[in-house]
Amino acid sequence: DTEVTQTPKHLVMGMTNKKSLKCEQHMGHRAMYWYKQKAKKPPELMFVYSYEKLSINESVPSRFSPECPNSSLLNLHLHALQPEDSALYLCASSLGTSGGVIAKNIQYFGAGTRLSVL
Amino acid sequence: KQEVTQIPAALSVPEGENLVLNCSFTDSAIYNLQWFRQDPGKGLTSLLLIQSSQREQTSGRLNASLDKSSGRSTLYIAASQPGDSATYLCAVASGNTGKLIFGQGTTLQVKP
Repeated sequence: DTEVTQTPKHLVMGMTNKKSLKCEQHMGHRAMYWYKQKAKKPPELMFVYSYEKLSINESVPSRFSPECPNSSLLNLHLHALQPEDSALYLCASSLGTSGGVIAKNIQYFGAGTRLSVL
Repeated sequence: KQEVTQIPAALSVPEGENLVLNCSFTDSAIYNLQWFRQDPGKGLTSLLLIQSSQREQTSGRLNASLDKSSGRSTLYIAASQPGDSATYLCAVASGNTGKLIFGQGTTLQVKP
């Protein structure tokens, strides 16, 4: 089973709302990722968690706040978003490190959360 | 700075045709290259991963090759079917961070 589950599938929120996106995997993966994808563009990395610790923040605005409560779960907390933050938010996971290298493993993606900010 | 380019941006072929999608990258210091498929409004499905030490990988009707020295990869699809219609993305892992750098994708349409 190579499933990464994201909820909700769709989310509409106002600029003053607080909401959270959830990502779950039960493959024993120890690296988890958040990507943002605008229409007709490739995904862009936002955050990487390795062994439940934040290892990369790609200069993402603080209105996006990631959280990794345990090795199976990754959240993205949203607050005071802007309309330009509307996008498909993708979660991915991979095995973790191979010989000390995180980059060697396949990343498996979820179906994404389609976010609209009004 | 690593840059990934995919050519062509769009491709339309009749069913049954063999086709090649191209991906090029500017920095040959990569850990691996991964090919994905994305259907409209959906997530990414991993098709093939080629480690930097490998030359090619095969899965069913798909064959991906990697020439690290020239900064090129190709995805060969044999006997294309309408169900192959999707956007195909290649991505390289350059640093030891897990960060994937994606090309812009090739949107494939296979006509019955």
